[in-house]
Amino acid sequence: AQKVTQAQTEISVVEKEDVTLDCVYETRDTTYYLFWYKQPPSGELVFLIRRNSFDEQNEISGRYSWNFQKSTSSFNFTITASQVVDSAVYFCALSEADQAGTALIFGKGTTLSVSS
Amino acid sequence: GAVVSQHPSRVICKSGTSVKIECRSLDFQATTMFWYRQFPKQSLMLMATSNEGSKATYEQGVEKDKFLINHASLTLSTLTVTSAHPEDSSFYICSSRGLGTGDNEQFFGPGTRLTVL
Repeated sequence: AQKVTQAQTEISVVEKEDVTLDCVYETRDTTYYLFWYKQPPSGELVFLIRRNSFDEQNEISGRYSWNFQKSTSSFNFTITASQVVDSAVYFCALSEADQAGTALIFGKGTTLSVSS
Repeated sequence: GAVVSQHPSRVICKSGTSVKIECRSLDFQATTMFWYRQFPKQSLMLMATSNEGSKATYEQGVEKDKFLINHASLTLSTLTVTSAHPEDSSFYICSSRGLGTGDNEQFFGPGTRLTVL
């Protein structure tokens, strides 16, 4: 069975601090995709990254970086020098690779609060 | 990137009425659409998967007679909450995967917040 665990329910930091959001996944598939989404108070999901299971390279995009480690089934997300605008709920998600397309399985989300 | 719209963005209705939510892919043909539900402070849970021209596949615990899904065209899927009750109050989000989109790319709509009084 597939599962995504985000053990951190809530994290509070002060502006300019670095923060890492953890994501651990379970799947029996050898080919799969991992995602991170941001959900601000408006509710609309904002796509951050998609990574397939064959690409273990870490990625950096501005203040955001992702660490994918198949050995520990983790796909952690780090925000460097956090800002108040980063406050949101962040979801990690997993899907199988399937020609027809499969739905995403979401973790429970981590609520990040960044104070000034 | 591909755009998915949802209408309405917010709806308030009385208990016992039916509500229809539309999900449209604006610049691509959506062969598959997914409907998710998110209760306050909870995660997104898949309700059903619909493929154009065929019956939707519902997840366990989701009543297909209560949540009617129609995917009659490649750009439109609708979710109708029939005889809505306060416990159906939730945030409903659709996502689409379509022809010409990348491997397992999914595009989410902005969501519809349903409040049943």
